Amino acid sequence: KAGVTQTPRYLIKTRGQQVTLSCSPISGHRSVSWYQQTPGQGLQFLFEYFSETQRNKGNFPGRFSGRQFSNSRSEMNVSTLELGDSALYLCASSSQGATGNEQFFGPGTRLTVL
Amino acid sequence: AQRVTQPEKLLSVFKGAPVELKCNYSYSGSPELFWYVQYSRQRLQLLLRHISRESIKGFTADLNKGETSFHLKKPFAQEEDSAMYYCARRGGSGAGSYQLTFGKGTKLSVIP
Repeated sequence: KAGVTQTPRYLIKTRGQQVTLSCSPISGHRSVSWYQQTPGQGLQFLFEYFSETQRNKGNFPGRFSGRQFSNSRSEMNVSTLELGDSALYLCASSSQGATGNEQFFGPGTRLTVL
Repeated sequence: AQRVTQPEKLLSVFKGAPVELKCNYSYSGSPELFWYVQYSRQRLQLLLRHISRESIKGFTADLNKGETSFHLKKPFAQEEDSAMYYCARRGGSGAGSYQLTFGKGTKLSVIP
């Protein structure tokens, strides 16, 4: 099976702009989780989608949002970008819910906010 | 809040020496514990999970509920073990228990 794919791999934006990141899970996986990785905070959970519904959400402001489509592909949107949003954004998919199943990670999207 | 602590940011050992990467977690119920590894230029991947009680690439990890620890061990380090290692937890009780919570990682460097 093909692994988790994320597009784009690199992105440069300026403060105040918005950005949309995309994640295609492994075929058959219905759960997609998003994480933000920074040198200072490490890996932090953003949210999880399962069958087009957000099931779990981390402690991020409302500027961070997401959605999942019927084919399980997921998008993450960040509005009104701030310098501190510069990070590697990872998505992970699993076959069922977040509990009890291995999560497979994508390569990440490197977002730089200038 | 769920917490995972990896006290060492960097650990350097010589090839053939034993390795122990430390991980402590906040107590709340009975969480699942994991070790993830990220080799250079590769994606994050699961190394092992405590419920499997298996050895992967010579690594083992024992869950110590009394000390709330899940240290990763290998008796003889190899150069190819050099990577970033993350301890993570999921489950238990309390807010945020449903999600994977990661430690900040330990960079293991095996010196030839």
